[in-house]
Amino acid sequence: DAGITQSPRHKVTETGTPVTLRCHQTENHRYMYWYRQDPGHGLRLIHYSYGVKDTDKGEVSDGYSVSRSKTEDFLLTLESATSSQTSVYFCAISEARTGGDYGYTFGSGTRLTVV
Amino acid sequence: DQQVKQNSPSLSVQEGRISILNCDYTNSMFDYFLWYKKYPAEGPTFLISISSIKDKNEDGRFTVFLNKSAKHLSLHIVPSQPGDSAVYFCAAPHTGNQFYFGTGTSLTVIP
Repeated sequence: DAGITQSPRHKVTETGTPVTLRCHQTENHRYMYWYRQDPGHGLRLIHYSYGVKDTDKGEVSDGYSVSRSKTEDFLLTLESATSSQTSVYFCAISEARTGGDYGYTFGSGTRLTVV
Repeated sequence: DQQVKQNSPSLSVQEGRISILNCDYTNSMFDYFLWYKKYPAEGPTFLISISSIKDKNEDGRFTVFLNKSAKHLSLHIVPSQPGDSAVYFCAAPHTGNQFYFGTGTSLTVIP
């Protein structure tokens, strides 16, 4: 168990307000990711981090920013929320598995509704 | 442009029968593939993987087949159970530690 916690689990916010989602991990993983899941689009990468203060954009980064000031925390901020950002957001870490496999372990998700 | 495609948004199967979920990819350089399973209100969980040096990997009721010439992989679930009802995503590695995901197939197993 990679010990990934996302908060909040649910959030309703108004258009134009800033929103920050938090991802916390307990096992010192270097790589952390933020994805959004939308019907018909699957899972799309927003931003990722490869270390403290080291972040980069994914395929759908417009309107989002991230910060990683500590290894264990990766924050996703919507500077001014829009209705198109209504989605389910997942945090993930990358880890090796037994037998040489590797892949993501995901958090439980944050359901964000922008009204 | 979708690098990994799941062309069937949904699939319904009777309990006890075989479920076959399909995934196509465009990049012949992909050398590793994963399947994730997602229940409502939960995060995706790893199900099974396959390396391109193999054409089949089996784990209990789940088998993944890889056809490199066709750039196609499939997940077989035999026998299907109601608890298998979930959304299934296939994925392939992008640069570094990133993955491309398909759009998902929602499987319903009918008791």
